[in-house]
Parts: sequence; C-alpha cells; structure tokens
Amino acid sequence: DAGVIQSPRHEVTEMGQEVTLRCKPISGHDYLFWYRQTMMRGLELLIYFNNNVPIDDSGMPEDRFSAKMPNASFSTLKIQPSEPRDSAVYFCASSTNTEGLQPQHFGDGTRLSIL
Amino acid sequence: QKEVEQNSGPLSVPEGAIASLNCTYSDRGSQSFFWYRQYSGKSPELIMFIYSNGDKEDGRFTAQLNKASQYVSLLIRDSQPSDSATYLCAVRIGGSYIPTFGRGTSLIVHP
Repeated sequence: DAGVIQSPRHEVTEMGQEVTLRCKPISGHDYLFWYRQTMMRGLELLIYFNNNVPIDDSGMPEDRFSAKMPNASFSTLKIQPSEPRDSAVYFCASSTNTEGLQPQHFGDGTRLSIL
Repeated sequence: QKEVEQNSGPLSVPEGAIASLNCTYSDRGSQSFFWYRQYSGKSPELIMFIYSNGDKEDGRFTAQLNKASQYVSLLIRDSQPSDSATYLCAVRIGGSYIPTFGRGTSLIVHP
C-alpha cells in the first residue's frame, strides 16, 4: 500500500512568496493532520481534518497559514506571505477511526527554507 | 508544565546494552500512549503503542506504562547502532483523540 505522499520534498523560496505544500493521505483514512517540526519547538500540530472538514486549527500560527482539503485524497497547506521563521519540516499524517483513532502514519515531510 | 516531557538527551549506550527511554505526562486521564522512532532527516514511524498498565513486549522493544506515576517507558534490549535515532513519546491527553508529542530523546548506540 502507498503511504502518505507529500510534495515537494524540499522547497527553498524567498521571503514574501507564497508556498503551497501538498499531501495525499492513505486511501481509506478519514483523518488528516498537518504538523510542523523545528529543533526549538519539536513536533507541533497545526490543523487536522476529519472527513475533509477542518476540526481544530488552533495550532495554525497566524492568518498567513491556511489549509484546505477539497476531497478525501488531497490536502494543501499554504503560507502567504512566507517569512524566514516559517522554515521547518512540515509533515502530513493520516489515520482512521476504526475501533478508536488509530496511530498516525506520517509522510516523508517537506523541508521548507525561507530566505 | 509541559503536557508530555522527555529528556532530550543524547542518551548514549554501548551496543548490546539495554536503552531505557522515559516519558512523563501531566494528565491522569490520558488513555493511549505511543512511541515513534525518527531517524535523522526522516519522518516519525510508529514502533509501539500501549493502553493498559504494565508491560507490552514486541521483539527487542518493551513499553512500560505506569498510570499512577504518570510515566511511560520504552526499553530497547540488545541495542544496535541502527537503533540510533530520536524517540518521540505521544500521549492522548485526557479525552482528546489527538496525541500530543514530546520533544523526543536522542539515542546513540555506539559500537
């Protein structure tokens, strides 16, 4: 089975540019999560969806960040405008709620560098 | 107080020894506990989960849960250099479905 697929794997862009990160969850998984990982703050949950509906976006740092899930097989995380402090590794993860919420499966991540 | 705490390490052990990784959590109502391994530059991968007090063994890995003392541990027997990684503890705090991750403990197994 294909795992969680993220693109791009690496992104380097200049401050002020729009950045779009993409994620395809595991087929059949109805929960999708976006995380950000830095050395300083560890792994932080930004937002999660259930059945394509955003459930909790309290981790989204500010209005520059937005996330969408137009269908069960695709999600985007957008940063506009980007800032150097947004540099981090962004992970997408998915899981299912069979007999309780199952452990999350993570994608390979997008390493984002904002210059 | 952080909800899930881990010593950042690094924890250094010789090959063949037992590595003991610890995690404490703040909410007594927490129900589910997970250990993830993350190699440098890679994504976290689940290695064990535990829901009940006591020990749970899977190969060289043993998870130990003590809800009264609010800690969960991961023991790695016969440690190998390939076990060198960061180990993340994740806890479903209270009634939340969504796990909260600790900062992780770096483990180094030297030959």
